[in-house]
This record gives sequence, structure tokens and C-alpha cells, in this order.
Amino acid sequence: ELKVEQNPLFLSMQEGKNYTIYCNYSTTSDRLYWYRQDPGKSLESLFVLLSNGAVKQEGRLMASLDTKARLSTLHITAAVHDLSATYFCAPFTYGNKLVFGAGTILRVKS
Amino acid sequence: GAGVSQSPSNKVTEKGKDVELRCDPISGHTALYWYRQSLGQGLEFLIYFQGNSAPDKSGLPSDRFSAERTGGSVSTLTIQRTQQEDSAVYLCASSLKGPSDQEAFFGQGTRLTVV
Repeated sequence: ELKVEQNPLFLSMQEGKNYTIYCNYSTTSDRLYWYRQDPGKSLESLFVLLSNGAVKQEGRLMASLDTKARLSTLHITAAVHDLSATYFCAPFTYGNKLVFGAGTILRVKS
Repeated sequence: GAGVSQSPSNKVTEKGKDVELRCDPISGHTALYWYRQSLGQGLEFLIYFQGNSAPDKSGLPSDRFSAERTGGSVSTLTIQRTQQEDSAVYLCASSLKGPSDQEAFFGQGTRLTVV
């Protein structure tokens, strides 16, 4: 059974700083999704990574996928308060279901 | 509407009662998922429908939980004899095909409170 570990689970950072969220998963998966969830809201799709070495960037966020290492990263550059949210990674499994990590709560302080 | 629609948005029920939660997926999406999110927790997979295939029910926590999808569109999640531990936000998502092809789009969720 696919297990997904995100770290850190909680991240408090100052505006303007850089940081990386890590997503490790336990079995073979060649594609992975990142989602954002604001408090009290549903999940919003951020990135779809469909192959080994895939890199996607949107604004201050950049996601990458290393299927050999079973690792995805979400890098935050020069954080701003608006990025405060919970971020989930979800590798695709061949059981046709998305298995989500526990989420990383990001708080960006002014 | 263009997105995944769930109803009701909030439901308070007494312990032991049955509840039905509804999900209208995005038109044309063949894949539909139900997840549960307890307070401050991640997403727990419940059930997955894909077209006319038999659903993947492997995430349903007990036989009190069931789900159906009529006509390949609307889905209903039913919880019988609700317990306090069933309190959570129930999220529905749909995708054009399975997750191998596209990300899933989520509804706003139904917040279930069992008192």
C-alpha cells in the first residue's frame, strides 16, 4: 500500500524567505499532484507532474518530481503572506486512487 | 455550474440517524472520488468510481458507509447509524478520466457533525 510522507508538517516562515516542502512516497508512481487548501475551503489543484524530472513553476512556487527517488519537492521562493495555506501532495497509484500526504501547514509571517 | 457541487454544505445529525451526502461532478467527468477529512487531518480515501466499472470501495471504513453513482453522474454517499467519529468534512472530486490522466477537481465539501 502506498504511503506518503510530507515534511515538515508545519512551517512558519518570514516573508521573503525561501523554503522547500518534501513529499516522499513508498511505492512506484510516475506522476504526482500538488494541491493547496485554504482554511475552511476545498482543495485547489496547483501542479500536475506527469513524468520523472518534471518541473513546473507558478509564481513563487516550483514543484519537481524524481520518480527514482520517490520524491517530490515544492519550493517556495521569497514567500509572501498570500501563500499561507495547507499544501498536499498526492502520488497517483495504479489502484486508480490518489493517496494524499498529511499536508504541510504553511504560515508566512509579515 | 462549472465546478463540482456538493450538498448540503453543512449537516448536523443525531447519533444513530442515517445521512445522505450528494455530489454533482463536472459534466463529462467519468471519474468520481469521495474523501473524508477530519479536523486538522489529511484526506482519507473512501471510494472511487470510474465509468461503468465496479467501484473501488477499499477505503470505506465500515459497512455503515455506502455510495452509489447513478447514470454515471451524480453520486450519493450514505452513512447509516451515524457515530460521533463520523464527524468530518466529506469531499467529492471528479476528473475527466482517471487520475493517470488529469488531476481531480474538488467540491467545497459537506461538513458533517454528529451530536
